[in-house]
Amino acid sequence: KNEVEQSPQNLTAQEGEFITINCSYSVGISALHWLQQHPGGGIVSLFMLSSGKKKHGRLIATINIQEKHSSLHITASHPRDSAVYICAGGAQKLVFGQGTRLTINP
Amino acid sequence: DTGVSQDPRHKITKRGQNVTFRCDPISEHNRLYWYRQTLGQGPEFLTYFQNEAQLEKSRLLSDRFSAERPKGSFSTLEIQRTEQGDSAMYLCASSLGAKQFFGPGTRLTVL
Repeated sequence: KNEVEQSPQNLTAQEGEFITINCSYSVGISALHWLQQHPGGGIVSLFMLSSGKKKHGRLIATINIQEKHSSLHITASHPRDSAVYICAGGAQKLVFGQGTRLTINP
Repeated sequence: DTGVSQDPRHKITKRGQNVTFRCDPISEHNRLYWYRQTLGQGPEFLTYFQNEAQLEKSRLLSDRFSAERPKGSFSTLEIQRTEQGDSAMYLCASSLGAKQFFGPGTRLTVL
């Protein structure tokens, strides 16, 4: 069993839908990261959080430390949001989930 | 562009050959990380440096793998006697605090 588990592995939705990607972790971590990876490999850090909730534009990330669970939400989804979303735990060495492939159809 | 560069972007080699990859981090970042990502999977930690000191190595990093960061700036990752199982994307990241900035990766194909 991976230390960081994401669900779903694949998600297809229509433009405008509200998207939720979940991440559960089994190890104690000091920070939880949400990352976005586009085809070709480039990874961009979206959020780093250790408690509560963060918002950036249409993206919202939440974390529940007691339940070892985090969610990434996308409001008013758009085809340009199509990418792989990865959660990762840790401060220095990151432990990654397997990623969620999101496809938003117009 | 995050400011982290990697070279080459793609490398095709024959089994048994040695390969070396380079990572140039953001200049003021003191930490540098190497990860490996195989198709359809999330990245896996290989090793990381704080300045020139290699602080941790994964058990994934066999004796055929070596990484250096001689002056605390750029880093190299060498794979000796490559095997087909080494085919993957090799990602470098750098940080000053907890947020890591990733390079574009080097895609290695071992034939």
